Amino acid sequence: NAGVTQTPKFQVLKTGQSMTLQCAQDMNHNSMYWYRQDPGMGLRLIYYSASEGTTDKGEVPNGYNVSRLNKREFSLRLESAAPSQTSVYFCASRADRITNSPLHFGNGTRLTVT
Amino acid sequence: QQQVKQSPQSLIVQKGGISIINCAYENTAFDYFPWYQQFPGKGPALLIAIRPDVSEKKEGRFTISFNKSAKQFSLHIMDSQPGDSATYFCAASMDQGGSYIPTFGRGTSLIVHP
Repeated sequence: NAGVTQTPKFQVLKTGQSMTLQCAQDMNHNSMYWYRQDPGMGLRLIYYSASEGTTDKGEVPNGYNVSRLNKREFSLRLESAAPSQTSVYFCASRADRITNSPLHFGNGTRLTVT
Repeated sequence: QQQVKQSPQSLIVQKGGISIINCAYENTAFDYFPWYQQFPGKGPALLIAIRPDVSEKKEGRFTISFNKSAKQFSLHIMDSQPGDSATYFCAASMDQGGSYIPTFGRGTSLIVHP
């Protein structure tokens, strides 16, 4: 049982390049989330998908887009990367949005934008 | 505006000592308070959680103390071990339009010296 799988693990981009971070979960969870983690800033929510077919902005959505491809997969796209987007990105899932079921996190993608 | 304030930012404890991490919140609508533990290179994982109708919850060496009137809660790690060295995040969540989305503190880096 893999849980939440994120690819790639590491990525270096030049300013202005685009890329898509992939996330897949095999726990049949309804809700999925993208967070970024920066030193001293904790975990900040970028976008979330409460259920298949829906997406909503979180605290820091600017510069990002998301796609809930199906129930398993939730991707995060950077259309024109900026150095301020250098961060560690975590995808998470939970069983459903209406209870306080725990978030299950992947192991992150470390992105550097030069 | 930081809804959940966590302190200290870093903590060094000797093996066998007590580690204490504190969090404070402003919004009285928060009704679920989880703690997440994150090891280097991994995603956070739920450690322990509490609801405001109880003042304390204990699981092994980990205890959450909750003070509703002061809007504060804390994590106590008894008999701290080197294996407890990790980053700890407190969080608070409430119903936001049908979704429970946790708001995280900025994290505490705990080092337990052998």
